[in-house]
Amino acid sequence: GDSVTQMEGPVTLSEEAFLTINCTYTATGYPSLFWYVQYPGEGLQLLLKATKADDKGSNKGFEATYRKETTSFHLEKGSVQVSDSAVYFCALTTDSWGKLQFGAGTQVVVTP
Amino acid sequence: NAGVTQTPKFQVLKTGQSMTLQCAQDMNHNSMYWYRQDPGMGLRLIYYSASEGTTDKGEVPNGYNVSRLNKREFSLRLESAAPSQTSVYFCASSVSLGQPQHFGDGTRLSIL
Repeated sequence: GDSVTQMEGPVTLSEEAFLTINCTYTATGYPSLFWYVQYPGEGLQLLLKATKADDKGSNKGFEATYRKETTSFHLEKGSVQVSDSAVYFCALTTDSWGKLQFGAGTQVVVTP
Repeated sequence: NAGVTQTPKFQVLKTGQSMTLQCAQDMNHNSMYWYRQDPGMGLRLIYYSASEGTTDKGEVPNGYNVSRLNKREFSLRLESAAPSQTSVYFCASSVSLGQPQHFGDGTRLSIL
């Protein structure tokens, strides 16, 4: 079946550091890929998405490129802030009705 | 600016008690979903409703039932709560099949 694998956390960074969270997937068919973010005590929010190979999703300084050849969708941000502290989830869907398969989540902690 | 509203936010039950978690969305979305979130496991789909009048099982439906009351509301019922159902429950909705999902803030449920 479909699956998503994310790097384990927590990832601890200093403010203004470069962030990378690795995400790889296995899927039948041609998935759409997503990154969601969950701030403490809140639900998940869509951060960015990509629907076909070589697409780059971007939002709030975060970027991720859909790499079909490596089945990856790594999340990056050039300069993190304390407010970026959250749990980040990589997800995919291959179903027409939009069922999401989530990774386990990666907690990111940014210190001043 | 409500989006997806879940009630209650917190609940403690005793084993064997029943309870219904409520979810309502005000975005005129067709599809709605119930997930549970457990540490290290990401989110897992319990049930979903592709459109008003339809419901289907997700990945972990055992011990749960759902009702799509109307287009706005999608409830999740635990008929006889068990400690294994201690979790954070999220409701989500999407415009249509395959579109990004919008999440509520969750219900934290503890079963003793």
